Amino acid sequence: GAGVSQSPSNKVTEKGKDVELRCDPISGHTALYWYRQSLGQGLEFLIYFQGNSAPDKSGLPSDRFSAERTGGSVSTLTIQRTQQEDSAVYLCASSFFVLLNTEAFFGQGTRLTVV
Amino acid sequence: QQQVKQSPQSLIVQKGGISIINCAYENTAFDYFPWYQQFPGKGPALLIAIRPDVSEKKEGRFTISFNKSAKQFSLHIMDSQPGDSATYFCAALANTGFQKLVFGTGTRLLVSP
Repeated sequence: GAGVSQSPSNKVTEKGKDVELRCDPISGHTALYWYRQSLGQGLEFLIYFQGNSAPDKSGLPSDRFSAERTGGSVSTLTIQRTQQEDSAVYLCASSFFVLLNTEAFFGQGTRLTVV
Repeated sequence: QQQVKQSPQSLIVQKGGISIINCAYENTAFDYFPWYQQFPGKGPALLIAIRPDVSEKKEGRFTISFNKSAKQFSLHIMDSQPGDSATYFCAALANTGFQKLVFGTGTRLLVSP
């Protein structure tokens, strides 16, 4: 596709269930970010993948959160035993790994509601 | 040192006025400073960006001013329009080490008709 694709666009889940959020980056982009955005709030960094390097997981809020990126392309963010405070929009972004002028392209996000 | 501090948190400007959003950073390795614009229900999108070898960059009604010595940069929106109402994020990237785009906390701009 032409842009970053995230699925599902909306997800309602019961507290305690596990969820998987998917991100399809722009083809050829080696950098991939996950952010979380609560209603009316800023972008909370979660995790960053860059090529074959070990990911920067410093933003993951707890061990219930994990992410992987298979084959340097598609990424999946998994939240185990979801809690109500996990409700937010989860945004994925990708970019080329080049020096300077590195524009990050964002997907539309997945709106997660934990009930 | 990886933080980018953004202010104000929210801003109301009358149509035709100038909107000014400020950001400051500590990491001197940052050398790429983009601004992103986000409309409700959408992901952020790149608006304008600057490198530290220039002090100002203008694209239409949007201008970035950059002060390298003060480690500050700002976004000016001239002749603000209601369609500019959105959340604006500044960001910074260091092209050394483990490159990662670091975002400010965002400014919600409302331009009143």
